[in-house]
Parts: sequence; structure tokens; C-alpha cells
Amino acid sequence: EAGVAQSPRYKIIEKRQSVAFWCNPISGHATLYWYQQILGQGPKLLIQFQNNGVVDDSQLPKDRFSAERLKGVDSTLKIQPAKLEDSAVYLCASSPGRTPNEKLFFGSGTQLSVL
Amino acid sequence: AQSVTQPDIHITVSEGASLELRCNYSYGATPYLFWYVQSPGQGLQLLLKYFSGDTLVQGIKGFEAEFKRSQSSFNLRKPSVHWSDAAEYFCAVFNTDKLIFGTGTRLQVFP
Repeated sequence: EAGVAQSPRYKIIEKRQSVAFWCNPISGHATLYWYQQILGQGPKLLIQFQNNGVVDDSQLPKDRFSAERLKGVDSTLKIQPAKLEDSAVYLCASSPGRTPNEKLFFGSGTQLSVL
Repeated sequence: AQSVTQPDIHITVSEGASLELRCNYSYGATPYLFWYVQSPGQGLQLLLKYFSGDTLVQGIKGFEAEFKRSQSSFNLRKPSVHWSDAAEYFCAVFNTDKLIFGTGTRLQVFP
């Protein structure tokens, strides 16, 4: 079974530039999550999709972050413009559903450095 | 607000020694609790979870955790650590459709 695929693996940009991350979840998984993991902290949920609809984006900085999940499959997370404090690992995860007993499968993440 | 606390930022043990990683939660009802492991450059992998029933749960890679309601704790244990266990460990609680993670404990294993 293929896992959650993310690209790119690493990205270095200057502040005020824009950047986009891509995630391909496990086939058939209805729920997709984007997490931000700042160095020394636990992952923080940015946005959660159920199919192609947004379930929770309460912690997404909407003035600069946006995300979409076209056709309920792949997802893209964008930052525009980036700030120094956006330096982090961005993790994508997917699960079959939204209930607590659904196991989350995580990708390897995209490590973003904003200079 | 529901939260998860991992008091130990960094733990170092010798290979073959026993291990206990601490996790405390703040939650009104019976929580859904999880332990995840993150190896360098890898995504998070579920070790074990607790929903209800037996308070001692077994996970993968020889790990176990015990839910203690009186102490609001869900500590992770392993009787004999292997060098490959060196990683970052995260405790998490499920709250209204999302996982809330602790800040993590980095485990270092010396030969």
C-alpha cells in the first residue's frame, strides 16, 4: 500500500516570497490534514478536509495561508507571502474517516526554511 | 481547553535499559489517547492508542502504555530499549475531530 506522498522534501525561500506544498493521500482516504511542526514543538493542525470540504481551519493564518483539495484527492497548501516564523516542517496526513479510532497516516513532510 | 503535557524534553538511556516517557493530559471526559513516534526525516507513526477498557495497552515495537485516570497520565514504557528506538515521541489526545499533540520527548540511546 502506497503511503502519503509529499513534495517537495525541502524548500528554502526568502521572506515575502510564496511557496506551495503538495500532498497525495492514501487512495480512498476521505480525510486529509495539514499540520505545521515548528522545531521543538508538536505538530499543530492547520486545516482538515473531509473529501473536498473544509472541516476545520480555525488555526490556519488565512491572511497568508491557503489550502485546497481538488476533487477530494490531492491537496495543495500555499503560503503567500512567507514570514520568518513560517519556517517549519509541514506534514500531511490522511485517514479513512474522522472518528477517533481512525488511524492517521503521515507523510515525511516538507521542511521549509524562510530566510 | 484540552491539552497534553510531556514534561521531559530530552531523555538519554543506555541500550538495554528500561524506558518510561511521561504524558499528562487535561480533559474532562474519558480521553482518546495516542503515542506516536517520529524518526529523523520520517513522518509520525502510531505506536499505540487507548480508547476504553483495559488500562494497559500494547503497541508495536514492544511498547506499552498505561492509562491512569487518577493521575491524568498515559505514560509510555518499554522494558529494554534498542538503539533503533532513538527518535522523537509524541503523546496526543483526540478532541472534537482533531489530534492535539504534546511538545514531544527526544530519546537518545547510548550503546
